[in-house]
Amino acid sequence: QKEVEQDPGPLSVPEGAIVSLNCTYSNSAFQYFMWYRQYSRKGPELLMYTYSSGNKEDGRFTAQVDKSSKYISLFIRDSQPSDSATYLCAMSRTSYGKLTFGQGTILTVHP
Amino acid sequence: GAGVSQSPSNKVTEKGKDVELRCDPISGHTALYWYRQSLGQGLEFLIYFQGNSAPDKSGLPSDRFSAERTGGSVSTLTIQRTQQEDSAVYLCASSFKTSIGARSSYEQYFGPGTRLTVT
Repeated sequence: QKEVEQDPGPLSVPEGAIVSLNCTYSNSAFQYFMWYRQYSRKGPELLMYTYSSGNKEDGRFTAQVDKSSKYISLFIRDSQPSDSATYLCAMSRTSYGKLTFGQGTILTVHP
Repeated sequence: GAGVSQSPSNKVTEKGKDVELRCDPISGHTALYWYRQSLGQGLEFLIYFQGNSAPDKSGLPSDRFSAERTGGSVSTLTIQRTQQEDSAVYLCASSFKTSIGARSSYEQYFGPGTRLTVT
């Protein structure tokens, strides 16, 4: 069983919808949680970086971490066709250490 | 400023040949990471450098894989006697220490990757 589980989708939503992306994990030592966006044939782009449990908001994006449930989420409000990409969750035990990634969720936002 | 750059962007090699992949991190970033992304395995950690030292090389899949970093900057990942299962996108990331209150963080910024195909 993988340390980080993420539904690969694909997920297809209409423009303007609220998108919810999720990951679960098994290693309780993870303390740092990230979401990356990856367009086709590009490197991952950091969207959100959070420490421990709680919420963080940045524009249309909100990241939530629930360490008690070992569950993290990314919400995208007012989704746009330009949000169509693969979304990867990632986490680490230390601030400087290796990242462990989920499999990625393929999102398509159609006009 | 410039982001992480990697070269070549694409590499096709024959099975059994050696290949070298290069990463130029963001200027001033002290930490450098190599990852591999393949369809079956997703994005996997290979090795981490802090300065020129590699305190974590736990992800290197075999002794055919090695990496070095010189001058606290450029890094090279070398794969010897390539096999077909080495075909993947090799990604490099770099980071530097930032502080939020009493807590430090190292946000990792990725390059575009090198797509390696072993025929």
